[in-house]
Amino acid sequence: EAGVTQFPSHSVIEKGQTVTLRCDPISGHDNLYWYRRVMGKEIKFLLHFVKESKQDESGMPNNRFLAERTGGTYSTLKVQPAELEDSGVYFCASSSRDRYSYEQYFGPGTRLTVT
Amino acid sequence: AQSVTQLDSHVSVSEGTPVLLRCNYSSSYSPSLFWYVQHPNKGLQLLLKYTSAATLVKGINGFEAEFKKSETSFHLTKPSAHMSDAAEYFCVVTGRWGKLQFGAGTQVVVTP
Repeated sequence: EAGVTQFPSHSVIEKGQTVTLRCDPISGHDNLYWYRRVMGKEIKFLLHFVKESKQDESGMPNNRFLAERTGGTYSTLKVQPAELEDSGVYFCASSSRDRYSYEQYFGPGTRLTVT
Repeated sequence: AQSVTQLDSHVSVSEGTPVLLRCNYSSSYSPSLFWYVQHPNKGLQLLLKYTSAATLVKGINGFEAEFKKSETSFHLTKPSAHMSDAAEYFCVVTGRWGKLQFGAGTQVVVTP
């Protein structure tokens, strides 16, 4: 069984540019989560999809961030325009639908550097 | 609201000696608690989980943790450290709809 995959693994962009991160969850997992770790800080929740619907987007920092999950499969997280403080590692995780308390399986993360 | 506090940002142990990583939690209801590990340049891997069953939880690679409600603690232990245990460890509590609340992380260094 393939795990959670994320693309790209690294991205370096200039301030003001746009970047799109992609996450492919484990097949059959309805729950998809995005998290972020800014340098020196804790890993923070961004948002949660159940299938294609946003269940909770309380962690999204501002309207420069747009997440989508068309068809309830893979998800994208777009940052437009990127700012210096957006640099960090973006993690995606998925879990099965039945139990919210069950473990989430994480992808390797995308390291975003905004210069 | 849920939160976790990892009491040590860095822990250094000698190979073959015990490891103790301390975690205290706060939760407005019976929580699910996890320990995740991240090795350098790798993703987050689940070590073990507590979901209101046995209070002593055994995980992978010889790690275990004990849920103590009276102390609101969920400390992670391993009897004998191995060089491969060098990594960053996160204590995590679940919030609403499975949202994870992470501790700040504990960096473990293992010396020969």
